[in-house]
Amino acid sequence: AQSVSQHNHHVILSEAASLELGCNYSYGGTVNLFWYVQYPGQHLQLLLKYFSGDPLVKGIKGFEAEFIKSKFSFNLRKPSVQWSDTAEYFCAVMNYGNNRLAFGKGNQVVVIP
Amino acid sequence: DGGITQSPKYLFRKEGQNVTLSCEQNLNHDAMYWYRQDPGQGLRLIYYSQIVNDFQKGDIAEGYSVSREKKESFPLTVTSAQKNPTAFYLCASSITTGGELNTEAFFGQGTRLTVV
Repeated sequence: AQSVSQHNHHVILSEAASLELGCNYSYGGTVNLFWYVQYPGQHLQLLLKYFSGDPLVKGIKGFEAEFIKSKFSFNLRKPSVQWSDTAEYFCAVMNYGNNRLAFGKGNQVVVIP
Repeated sequence: DGGITQSPKYLFRKEGQNVTLSCEQNLNHDAMYWYRQDPGQGLRLIYYSQIVNDFQKGDIAEGYSVSREKKESFPLTVTSAQKNPTAFYLCASSITTGGELNTEAFFGQGTRLTVV
């Protein structure tokens, strides 16, 4: 079965710092890739997605992610974080063929004002 | 409004009882999913269904059962066989685009189940 790896579960950084969250997956076939965000007390929201085409995708709130097929990776980045980016971030991968959607364990990001 | 409705938001049950969590969507999505969210564990897939009357086990299906008799409904039953049922349960749905990969999943607000 597909597995999704997210490292550094807890990330603490100051406002204006840059953020990069890693995501690696195991399935070697065609996939759709997603990053979801869960703000405190709120439900999961889509941050950005990759289906095909340009491997650098831009999402909401200044986030972007890069798909590197050879590395089975889909890392999330934001050049300058704000206090409001404090949230839990989940990487998700959907397999072609069975549409099984698997999530990583998440990154708890705390931005200090 | 279109969306996914999970009910109830909070649910309490005694140990040894089966309990059914409701998930309804009016988005006309073909695929539906159930996840369990525990601190530090992310979202773990319990069951998913790509079409009515069909469903597949996820990574942690033991102690759970589902049905998909209608397109808009995908109820999850937590049985007494589930060893650690207290958790936050999330339902999601996505559209199937002509047999190719689905689009993104949309999530409900979740049900927090506490078994005492």
